[in-house]
Amino acid sequence: EVQLVESGGGLVQPGRSLKLSCAASGFTFSNYGMHWIRQAPTKGLEWVASISPSGGSTYYRDSVKGRFTISRDNAKSTLYLQMDSLRSEDTATYYCATAVTTVPVFDYWGQGVMVTVSS
Amino acid sequence: IQLTQSPSLLSASVGDRVTLSCKGSQNINNYLAWYQQKLGEAPKLLIYKTNSLQTGIPSRFSGSGSGTDYTLTISSLHSEDLATYYCYQYNNGWTFGGGTKLELK
Repeated sequence: EVQLVESGGGLVQPGRSLKLSCAASGFTFSNYGMHWIRQAPTKGLEWVASISPSGGSTYYRDSVKGRFTISRDNAKSTLYLQMDSLRSEDTATYYCATAVTTVPVFDYWGQGVMVTVSS
Repeated sequence: IQLTQSPSLLSASVGDRVTLSCKGSQNINNYLAWYQQKLGEAPKLLIYKTNSLQTGIPSRFSGSGSGTDYTLTISSLHSEDLATYYCYQYNNGWTFGGGTKLELK
């Protein structure tokens, strides 16, 4: 059974950093692209970043370029999102997701982790 | 590519046929999916490539469309279908629509 479990969320002050993790199991992690999607409170879904299976290619939405870094450790089957220079508008639930059977459409999602940026 | 969903809120009764719309700012070339999200849960994939039903999804859900205009139809609304529905395009980058909240009339 595919499982994605996020961790690392919490309350952080504007301008500070936070690193999210997503532990994957139930599939061959190193074969699949991974993604972060976020949802601000009472708002819609917003794609944040993606990484290729090898980690050699990364993609970001414009509003997080230069501040967020997506990475992965295939030996540990873990996805990361390093978030620097956080802003109040980054407050959201962050989901990791992958496309295993319906590539490239995300068919498996984690339960989400909340990040609150506030002083 | 921007996606516009309509309506943003839809009130319907159990048993109704329900149609949700998603319009792209450019041709999406059928690379359009639909997700269902219930309160406090992660999104669930319903439909991909415009009209392919994801495994385990009831056949009352169907998708159609082409070019810039796409539709999700629920043939007979069940109470458990009350949720917010998002369209998602993967033709050029990755973009979600703003969502349609489906509530009981």
